[in-house]
Amino acid sequence: NAGVTQTPKFQVLKTGQSMTLQCAQDMNHNSMYWYRQDPGMGLRLIYYSASEGTTDKGEVPNGYNVSRLNKREFSLRLESAAPSQTSVYFCASRDRGGMNTEAFFGQGTRLTVV
Amino acid sequence: AQSVTQLGSHVSVSEGALVLLRCNYSSSVPPYLFWYVQYPNQGLQLLLKYTSAATLVKGINGFEAEFKKSETSFHLTKPSAHMSDAAEYFCAVSPNTGGFKTIFGAGTRLFVKA
Repeated sequence: NAGVTQTPKFQVLKTGQSMTLQCAQDMNHNSMYWYRQDPGMGLRLIYYSASEGTTDKGEVPNGYNVSRLNKREFSLRLESAAPSQTSVYFCASRDRGGMNTEAFFGQGTRLTVV
Repeated sequence: AQSVTQLGSHVSVSEGALVLLRCNYSSSVPPYLFWYVQYPNQGLQLLLKYTSAATLVKGINGFEAEFKKSETSFHLTKPSAHMSDAAEYFCAVSPNTGGFKTIFGAGTRLFVKA
């Protein structure tokens, strides 16, 4: 079982470049999430999609955009990368059962902006 | 608004000693509570969750946590630490009255000494 798959695993960008982080889940989950993980700050929610066709801002949405392409895929785009966006990015998904169900995480994308 | 606080960014125990990782939450109503574990260079995995059934929750790898409403706490314990328990642990809170945001604590890194 693949679960949640993120690509790429590593990326180095120059300031001002753009890129898209891809995420796909094969568990037929309704909700999908993008988090960033920074030392001492835990995971902070960037954007989420409660169901196909909807997206909403999380705690730290500035500088990012998302697309829920279909039920399986949820991408995160950096239009003009900044050094402050150097982080580890995690995609997660959750079943329709509600907020008492666990979230399943991908392996992460380690992004460095120079 | 919900929030979660983990006391201690680093905890060090000897192999065989008690593990205690602290988590306190802030919410107007008791939320759903989770503990996740993250091993190096991996995504997060669910250890256990509280969903308003039993207040003492047992998880994988011998971990358990007790929900105490009066103390707004959900501390994680394990009677005897093993070297393989060395990892980072995250407490998380999800709303049970609507909404789709899961909020994570800053994390506690557990070191286990031989």
